[in-house]
Amino acid sequence: EVQLVESGGGLVQPGGSLRLSCAASGFTFSNYWMSWIRQAPGKGLEWVANIKQDGSEKYYVDSVKGRFTISRDNAKNSLSLQMNSLRAEDTAVYYCARASTGTSGDYWGQGTLVSVSS
Amino acid sequence: DVVMTQSPFSLPVTLGQPASISCRSSQSLVHSDGNTYLNWFQQRPGQSPRRLIYKVSNWDSGVPDRFSGSGSGTDFTLKISRVEAEDVGVYYCMQGTHWPHTFGQGTKLEIK
Repeated sequence: EVQLVESGGGLVQPGGSLRLSCAASGFTFSNYWMSWIRQAPGKGLEWVANIKQDGSEKYYVDSVKGRFTISRDNAKNSLSLQMNSLRAEDTAVYYCARASTGTSGDYWGQGTLVSVSS
Repeated sequence: DVVMTQSPFSLPVTLGQPASISCRSSQSLVHSDGNTYLNWFQQRPGQSPRRLIYKVSNWDSGVPDRFSGSGSGTDFTLKISRVEAEDVGVYYCMQGTHWPHTFGQGTKLEIK
């Protein structure tokens, strides 16, 4: 059974940093692209970032470029999102999702809430 | 960026009746590899999203066959042949052809 478990969310002040993690199991992690997708409270879904199987390609939505970094550790079946210079508009539930060419999210985690507020 | 526009925003449906959601993209979603990467997701209240359809019309495992996807180029449709109570939630289309991937704004399906 595919499982994705996010952790690392919490309350952080504007300008602060947070690192999200996603533990993957039930599939061969190194064979898949992986994604981060977020959802602001009461709002729709927003794709944030994707990373290729070997980490050689990374893509980001414009609003997080230069502030967020997606990474992975295939030996540990782990996906990460380093978030710096956080803003109030980054407040959202962040989902880890399995991806492949042309799609993000055939499997999703339960999400972790990031709140950016003073 | 590719803008995905869904309609309607809200969709009240009687149980057992059909439902249809439209999704239009601001650019063609035909990829250079020949595939069209248009996906549909369902998000039930309080749950994580779940993918229903990928590459326009392919069902994900476990998705009831009352759901179907169609379309091409820039115009796509998700149809539910007979709405059931468990179908309540928000439906999103998402394109995976162009970077960044983008979602539609969502269509909220409710029972009349």
